[in-house]
Amino acid sequence: GESVGLHLPTLSVQEGDNSIINCAYSNSASDYFIWYKQESGKGPQFIIDIRSNMDKRQGQRVTVLLNKTVKHLSLQIAATQPGDSAVYFCAELPPKAAGNKLTFGGGTRVLVKP
Amino acid sequence: NAGVTQTPKFRVLKTGQSMTLLCAQDMNHEYMYWYRQDPGMGLRLIHYSVGEGTTAKGEVPDGYNVSRLKKQNFLLGLESAAPSQTSVYFCASSFDSAGNPNTEAFFGQGTRLTVV
Repeated sequence: GESVGLHLPTLSVQEGDNSIINCAYSNSASDYFIWYKQESGKGPQFIIDIRSNMDKRQGQRVTVLLNKTVKHLSLQIAATQPGDSAVYFCAELPPKAAGNKLTFGGGTRVLVKP
Repeated sequence: NAGVTQTPKFRVLKTGQSMTLLCAQDMNHEYMYWYRQDPGMGLRLIHYSVGEGTTAKGEVPDGYNVSRLKKQNFLLGLESAAPSQTSVYFCASSFDSAGNPNTEAFFGQGTRLTVV
């Protein structure tokens, strides 16, 4: 079956710098994408989402970019803080007619250095 | 508002034993999902449901069964537990509305299962 990335790289970032986390998705039919943050011992928490009719969406300190041509998502975190240390997952959701399976990537661990 | 609640939070099983994990949501969500997460890995979809009385297979369904008899509950069953099923299990739910079929999924806090 199709999947969204399957490895867990680590990104070390200096506190105050910007972070960029990348994700490749494989289902070209997916029309909704979500970034989640998972802290140790907890369930994933929603950060930001984007629909396929958009290429950029901004939240508080976070920006998601979507490039449908190359099936790529990125999450930018501005002025990274210690509390941003976590594992970040992208997830894709195809349309209802295509099964509506919310599929996750392998995630990226972000370590913020003081 | 409790959101998504999973029980139990921890469980140790012997190989061959059976158990049921319960997921309950109080948000009137249509869609519910069961995932497993192995150490250092992402979430893999086991089974999901797009409505009461319906279930479907995900990426890794073997060895698991599910039921969605009530809209608010999604049960995950292990008929004969194996050490390979040692993992953290997460349940999630999301809302389907006629005009906005895709929305974020809310997650439970996880069930840590060890099979010895």
